[in-house]
Amino acid sequence: KNEVEQSPQNLTAQEGEFITINCSYSVGISALHWLQQHPGGGIVSLFMLSSGKKKHGRLIATINIQEKHSSLHITASHPRDSAVYICAVGAGNQFYFGTGTSLTVIP
Amino acid sequence: DVKVTQSSRYLVKRTGEKVFLECVQDMDHENMFWYRQDPGLGLRLIYFSYDVKMKEKGDIPEGYSVSREKKERFSLILESASTNQTSMYLCASTNSNNQPQHFGDGTRLSIL
Repeated sequence: KNEVEQSPQNLTAQEGEFITINCSYSVGISALHWLQQHPGGGIVSLFMLSSGKKKHGRLIATINIQEKHSSLHITASHPRDSAVYICAVGAGNQFYFGTGTSLTVIP
Repeated sequence: DVKVTQSSRYLVKRTGEKVFLECVQDMDHENMFWYRQDPGLGLRLIYFSYDVKMKEKGDIPEGYSVSREKKERFSLILESASTNQTSMYLCASTNSNNQPQHFGDGTRLSIL
C-alpha cells in the first residue's frame, strides 16, 4: 500500500501548455512537499504546503486537506521544466514519497 | 547557500565488498536521512537519524547500517555489497518534518 499516489506517471506536453500533476495521500500529514528532480539526480524542494495555495513564478501548488489531495500546476510550460516531479508528505517521524511524475516538454 | 554533500557521484564496487557512503551537511540540521531510488519505486527510506549517535530503521534497512558520530555527518554502510544494492543513493537533512528536506546530489552505486 502506497501512502502517496501520484498521477500521471509520465506526461508529455507541447511548449506553452498548462500542466497539472496530481497527488493523493492516505495518512495524516503535517505538511506536503513538491520536489523537482532533473536528470543527474539532484532533488530540490519547490513548495511546502499545509493549507491553501502557493505560487512561485509559473508554478502553483494547491492542497485540499479534507480531500487529502494536492495539485502542482505549471503555466506556459517550457522545455527546461522537463524533470521528475515528486510529491512527499511529512507524517509523524517520517516522510513518504510518491513514485514521481516524469514530465517532458517538447519545443 | 545551504549544502548537503555526498562524497561520490558515481561508485563501482564488487560483490562482498564493504562500502561506505558519506554525507555531510553544513546547516546544523538535527535530522538526516538515507534513501535509495529505483525506477518505478520512488524514494525508499533506508535509515534516519534525529541526533548524534542515534539511528532508526526505515522501510528497507536490511543489508545496511549507518553511523552518526558527529551532527553534520551521516554515513551509510553496505556491510557486504550485493548486486541488488545497485541503485541511486540520496542523503537528505532537515531541522523538522515541517520543513523542507535538503538533498545531496546522489551517489549512483553499481555493484558488480
